[in-house]
Amino acid sequence: AQSVTQLDSQVPVFEEAPVELRCNYSSSVSVYLFWYVQYPNQGLQLLLKYLSGSTLVESINGFEAEFNKSQTSFHLRKPSVHISDTAEYFCAVSPWFGNEKLTFGTGTRLTIIP
Amino acid sequence: DVKVTQSSRYLVKRTGEKVFLECVQDMDHENMFWYRQDPGLGLRLIYFSYDVKMKEKGDIPEGYSVSREKKERFSLILESASTNQTSMYLCASRALGESYNEQFFGPGTRLTVL
Repeated sequence: AQSVTQLDSQVPVFEEAPVELRCNYSSSVSVYLFWYVQYPNQGLQLLLKYLSGSTLVESINGFEAEFNKSQTSFHLRKPSVHISDTAEYFCAVSPWFGNEKLTFGTGTRLTIIP
Repeated sequence: DVKVTQSSRYLVKRTGEKVFLECVQDMDHENMFWYRQDPGLGLRLIYFSYDVKMKEKGDIPEGYSVSREKKERFSLILESASTNQTSMYLCASRALGESYNEQFFGPGTRLTVL
C-alpha cells in the first residue's frame, strides 16, 4: 500500500515570491509520482508527473518538482508565483504495477497575497 | 479534447433519499473512478470500474454502490443518503494500458444531504 503526506494544509505567499509545497510518500514498491492542481470551482488537472529518467520535471506554467528517492519526497517549487496560481495542489502516487489507482495526499491550499 | 462530464454541479437531497450521480466520458476509456473530496482528507477512492459491468471497491465503499452498463457512463448510487455523505464527488476516467496513463477528472458534484 502507498501513502502520501502533505504537511502544509495552507501556504500563503506574496506575489512574485518563491514557493515550495512539500510532499513525502511511503511505498513498498516503485511508484509514479504526480502533482495535480484544482483551481476554484473546477476539477483536478494534472500539473506534472515523474515516471522515470530525469528526477527534475517541469510544467508549462513554471512549476517544477524533483523526485528524491532517498528522502521519498517529490516537492513542488516555483521561483515566482502569480495570482493565477491560487489553487489547491494535490500530490499523488501510483504503483508501477496496478497503476490504475492513485493515492492522494490531503492537499495544500496555495494563497497568493497581492 | 478530453471531456468528462458530471450530471450536476450542485445537488441538495434529504436524508434517506436515493441519489444518483452520473458521469460520462467521451474518450472511450476503459477505466472509470469515483472519488469523494473532503477538506483535510484529500481525495479518497470510493469505487472504480476496469471496464463495462466490472467494478471494484475502493477505500471507502460503505454506503455506496455503482453501475456501469455502458462504457462511457459510470453511475454512483447512494441507496439511502445520510448527512455524512455531504461532500464533493469527483469522477475520473483513464485509458487501459500497461504503462502509465493519465486520469482525467470531471468538474465535480457538490452534494449536500439535509
